[in-house]
Amino acid sequence: GESVGLHLPTLSVQEGDNSIINCAYSNSASDYFIWYKQESGKGPQFIIDIRSNMDKRQGQRVTVLLNKTVKHLSLQIAATQPGDSAVYFCAEKGHSGTYKYIFGTGTRLKVLA
Amino acid sequence: DTEVTQTPKHLVMGMTNKKSLKCEQHMGHRAMYWYKQKAKKPPELMFVYSYEKLSINESVPSRFSPECPNSSLLNLHLHALQPEDSALYLCASSQDGLRVAEAFFGQGTRLTVV
Repeated sequence: GESVGLHLPTLSVQEGDNSIINCAYSNSASDYFIWYKQESGKGPQFIIDIRSNMDKRQGQRVTVLLNKTVKHLSLQIAATQPGDSAVYFCAEKGHSGTYKYIFGTGTRLKVLA
Repeated sequence: DTEVTQTPKHLVMGMTNKKSLKCEQHMGHRAMYWYKQKAKKPPELMFVYSYEKLSINESVPSRFSPECPNSSLLNLHLHALQPEDSALYLCASSQDGLRVAEAFFGQGTRLTVV
Protein backbone atom coordinates (compact mmCIF):
# COMPACT_ATOMS: atom_id res chain seq x y z
CA GLY A 1 0.00 0.00 0.00
CA GLU A 2 0.96 3.69 -0.14
CA SER A 3 0.96 6.33 2.56
CA VAL A 4 1.55 10.05 2.31
CA GLY A 5 1.87 12.93 4.70
CA LEU A 6 4.66 13.47 7.18
CA HIS A 7 6.15 10.09 6.41
CA LEU A 8 7.98 9.10 3.29
CA PRO A 9 5.54 7.54 0.79
CA THR A 10 5.96 3.78 0.98
CA LEU A 11 5.36 1.08 -1.58
CA SER A 12 5.22 -2.51 -0.34
CA VAL A 13 5.53 -5.32 -2.88
CA GLN A 14 5.90 -9.07 -2.71
CA GLU A 15 9.23 -10.52 -3.70
CA GLY A 16 9.11 -11.49 -7.35
CA ASP A 17 6.38 -8.99 -8.26
CA ASN A 18 6.97 -5.91 -10.38
CA SER A 19 7.27 -2.50 -8.72
CA ILE A 20 6.24 0.85 -10.14
CA ILE A 21 7.49 4.01 -8.46
CA ASN A 22 6.13 7.34 -9.63
CA CYS A 23 7.46 10.86 -9.63
CA ALA A 24 5.99 14.19 -10.66
CA TYR A 25 8.45 16.88 -11.69
CA SER A 26 7.88 20.58 -11.68
CA ASN A 27 9.93 22.22 -14.40
CA SER A 28 8.69 21.74 -17.95
CA ALA A 29 12.10 22.96 -19.17
CA SER A 30 13.94 20.07 -17.49
CA ASP A 31 15.63 17.95 -20.12
CA TYR A 32 17.31 15.19 -18.19
CA PHE A 33 16.04 12.88 -15.47
CA ILE A 34 17.73 10.35 -13.22
CA TRP A 35 16.52 7.71 -10.81
CA TYR A 36 18.64 7.15 -7.72
CA LYS A 37 18.46 4.40 -5.11
CA GLN A 38 19.47 5.23 -1.56
CA GLU A 39 20.00 2.53 1.02
CA SER A 40 20.05 3.29 4.71
CA GLY A 41 23.20 5.15 5.74
CA LYS A 42 24.50 5.42 2.18
CA GLY A 43 24.64 8.00 -0.57
CA PRO A 44 22.31 7.96 -3.59
CA GLN A 45 23.30 5.41 -6.23
CA PHE A 46 22.58 5.95 -9.92
CA ILE A 47 20.08 3.49 -11.42
CA ILE A 48 19.01 4.80 -14.80
CA ASP A 49 18.57 8.05 -16.66
CA ILE A 50 16.51 9.41 -19.53
CA ARG A 51 16.67 12.48 -21.72
CA SER A 52 13.62 14.52 -22.57
CA ASN A 53 13.72 13.48 -26.24
CA MET A 54 12.89 9.91 -25.18
CA ASP A 55 9.81 8.44 -23.53
CA LYS A 56 11.20 5.07 -22.47
CA ARG A 57 14.55 3.61 -21.58
CA GLN A 58 15.39 0.13 -20.36
CA GLY A 59 18.19 -1.17 -18.23
CA GLN A 60 18.79 -4.41 -16.44
CA ARG A 61 15.47 -5.21 -14.69
CA VAL A 62 14.56 -1.51 -14.69
CA THR A 63 12.60 0.68 -17.09
CA VAL A 64 12.05 4.40 -16.90
CA LEU A 65 9.04 6.01 -18.57
CA LEU A 66 8.74 9.73 -19.19
CA ASN A 67 5.48 11.53 -19.93
CA LYS A 68 6.31 15.15 -20.65
CA THR A 69 2.69 16.10 -21.24
CA VAL A 70 1.82 15.57 -17.58
CA LYS A 71 5.37 15.97 -16.25
CA HIS A 72 5.48 12.45 -14.88
CA LEU A 73 8.28 9.95 -14.53
CA SER A 74 8.06 6.34 -13.43
CA LEU A 75 10.52 3.61 -12.54
CA GLN A 76 9.53 0.01 -13.12
CA ILE A 77 11.49 -2.74 -11.41
CA ALA A 78 10.90 -6.25 -12.70
CA ALA A 79 10.93 -9.28 -10.40
CA THR A 80 11.58 -7.20 -7.29
CA GLN A 81 14.17 -8.66 -4.93
CA PRO A 82 14.89 -8.05 -1.23
CA GLY A 83 18.01 -6.13 -2.24
CA ASP A 84 15.78 -3.60 -3.99
CA SER A 85 14.47 -2.37 -0.63
CA ALA A 86 15.58 1.26 -0.38
CA VAL A 87 14.38 4.82 -0.91
CA TYR A 88 14.10 5.83 -4.55
CA PHE A 89 14.45 9.43 -5.69
CA CYS A 90 13.90 10.94 -9.07
CA ALA A 91 16.07 13.92 -9.93
CA GLU A 92 15.64 16.45 -12.70
CA LYS A 93 18.24 18.60 -14.35
CA GLY A 94 17.11 21.74 -16.04
CA HIS A 95 17.78 22.97 -19.52
CA SER A 96 21.41 23.08 -20.61
CA GLY A 97 23.07 25.91 -18.80
CA THR A 98 21.99 24.92 -15.34
CA TYR A 99 24.13 23.04 -12.86
CA LYS A 100 21.34 21.91 -10.59
CA TYR A 101 20.14 18.38 -9.96
CA ILE A 102 16.85 18.76 -8.08
CA PHE A 103 15.46 15.80 -6.19
CA GLY A 104 11.86 14.73 -5.77
CA THR A 105 10.42 13.73 -2.41
CA GLY A 106 11.31 10.04 -2.63
CA THR A 107 9.48 6.73 -2.20
CA ARG A 108 10.44 3.94 0.18
CA LEU A 109 10.22 0.51 -1.42
CA LYS A 110 9.68 -2.42 0.96
CA VAL A 111 10.02 -5.89 -0.46
CA LEU A 112 8.03 -8.51 1.42
CA ALA A 113 9.34 -12.07 1.54
CA ASP B 1 37.47 4.44 -10.44
CA THR B 2 33.89 5.71 -10.17
CA GLU B 3 34.01 6.64 -6.54
CA VAL B 4 33.45 9.79 -4.62
CA THR B 5 35.12 9.45 -1.24
CA GLN B 6 34.00 11.45 1.77
CA THR B 7 35.69 11.74 5.14
CA PRO B 8 34.92 11.46 7.93
CA LYS B 9 31.92 9.10 7.81
CA HIS B 10 30.65 10.38 11.14
CA LEU B 11 31.32 13.63 12.98
CA VAL B 12 30.09 14.95 16.31
CA MET B 13 30.90 18.57 17.01
CA GLY B 14 30.01 21.21 19.54
CA MET B 15 28.46 24.52 18.57
CA THR B 16 31.73 26.36 19.15
CA ASN B 17 33.92 23.93 17.22
CA LYS B 18 35.48 24.33 13.80
CA LYS B 19 35.62 21.24 11.62
CA SER B 20 35.93 20.35 7.94
CA LEU B 21 34.34 17.76 5.71
CA LYS B 22 36.39 16.42 2.83
CA CYS B 23 35.47 14.99 -0.54
CA GLU B 24 37.67 13.52 -3.25
CA GLN B 25 37.08 12.14 -6.74
CA HIS B 26 39.49 10.90 -9.40
CA MET B 27 37.11 10.60 -12.33
CA GLY B 28 38.30 13.82 -13.94
CA HIS B 29 34.97 15.45 -13.18
CA ARG B 30 34.97 19.24 -13.27
CA ALA B 31 31.77 19.89 -11.34
CA MET B 32 31.46 19.13 -7.65
CA TYR B 33 28.52 19.58 -5.33
CA TRP B 34 27.55 19.71 -1.67
CA TYR B 35 24.09 18.53 -0.65
CA LYS B 36 22.44 18.41 2.77
CA GLN B 37 19.98 15.65 3.59
CA LYS B 38 17.73 15.51 6.63
CA ALA B 39 16.03 12.28 7.68
CA LYS B 40 13.24 11.12 5.35
CA LYS B 41 13.86 14.08 3.02
CA PRO B 42 15.50 14.40 -0.38
CA PRO B 43 19.00 15.85 -0.73
CA GLU B 44 18.99 19.65 -0.94
CA LEU B 45 21.59 21.45 -3.00
CA MET B 46 23.95 23.74 -1.07
CA PHE B 47 26.88 24.59 -3.36
CA VAL B 48 28.15 23.87 -6.85
CA TYR B 49 31.73 24.27 -8.03
CA SER B 50 32.52 24.24 -11.72
CA TYR B 51 36.16 24.18 -12.82
CA GLU B 52 37.16 25.01 -9.24
CA LYS B 53 35.04 28.15 -9.16
CA LEU B 54 31.94 28.57 -7.01
CA SER B 55 29.00 28.65 -9.42
CA ILE B 56 26.03 28.27 -7.11
CA ASN B 57 25.42 29.11 -3.46
CA GLU B 58 21.84 28.25 -2.55
CA SER B 59 21.63 30.98 0.11
CA VAL B 60 23.52 28.82 2.57
CA PRO B 61 24.39 30.45 5.94
CA SER B 62 27.97 31.68 6.21
CA ARG B 63 28.73 29.17 8.98
CA PHE B 64 29.17 26.77 6.04
CA SER B 65 32.17 27.68 3.92
CA PRO B 66 33.05 25.62 0.83
CA GLU B 67 36.48 25.36 -0.72
CA CYS B 68 37.74 23.68 -3.86
CA PRO B 69 41.57 23.46 -3.64
CA ASN B 70 41.90 21.59 -6.94
CA SER B 71 39.82 19.69 -9.46
CA SER B 72 39.78 16.51 -7.34
CA LEU B 73 39.06 17.92 -3.90
CA LEU B 74 36.15 19.67 -2.27
CA ASN B 75 35.97 20.77 1.35
CA LEU B 76 33.20 22.11 3.51
CA HIS B 77 34.38 24.13 6.51
CA LEU B 78 32.04 24.27 9.45
CA HIS B 79 32.02 26.88 12.20
CA ALA B 80 29.53 27.80 14.92
CA LEU B 81 26.92 25.34 13.75
CA GLN B 82 23.51 24.87 15.31
CA PRO B 83 21.85 21.60 16.36
CA GLU B 84 19.45 21.95 13.41
CA ASP B 85 22.45 21.64 11.09
CA SER B 86 22.71 17.98 12.07
CA ALA B 87 22.19 16.02 8.86
CA LEU B 88 23.83 13.79 6.27
CA TYR B 89 26.16 15.88 4.09
CA LEU B 90 26.63 14.48 0.63
CA CYS B 91 29.28 15.32 -1.91
CA ALA B 92 28.73 14.62 -5.60
CA SER B 93 30.58 15.12 -8.86
CA SER B 94 29.69 15.15 -12.53
CA GLN B 95 31.66 15.41 -15.76
CA ASP B 96 30.86 19.01 -16.39
CA GLY B 97 28.09 20.80 -14.57
CA LEU B 98 26.36 21.90 -17.73
CA ARG B 99 26.38 18.56 -19.53
CA VAL B 100 23.62 16.00 -19.53
CA ALA B 101 25.27 13.37 -17.35
CA GLU B 102 24.60 11.75 -14.02
CA ALA B 103 26.05 12.98 -10.77
CA PHE B 104 27.97 10.45 -8.68
CA PHE B 105 27.49 10.65 -4.93
CA GLY B 106 29.70 9.80 -2.00
CA GLN B 107 28.49 7.88 1.04
CA GLY B 108 28.08 11.06 3.02
CA THR B 109 29.22 12.42 6.38
CA ARG B 110 26.72 11.99 9.19
CA LEU B 111 27.07 15.21 11.20
CA THR B 112 25.70 15.66 14.69
CA VAL B 113 25.90 19.10 16.33
CA VAL B 114 25.62 19.04 20.11
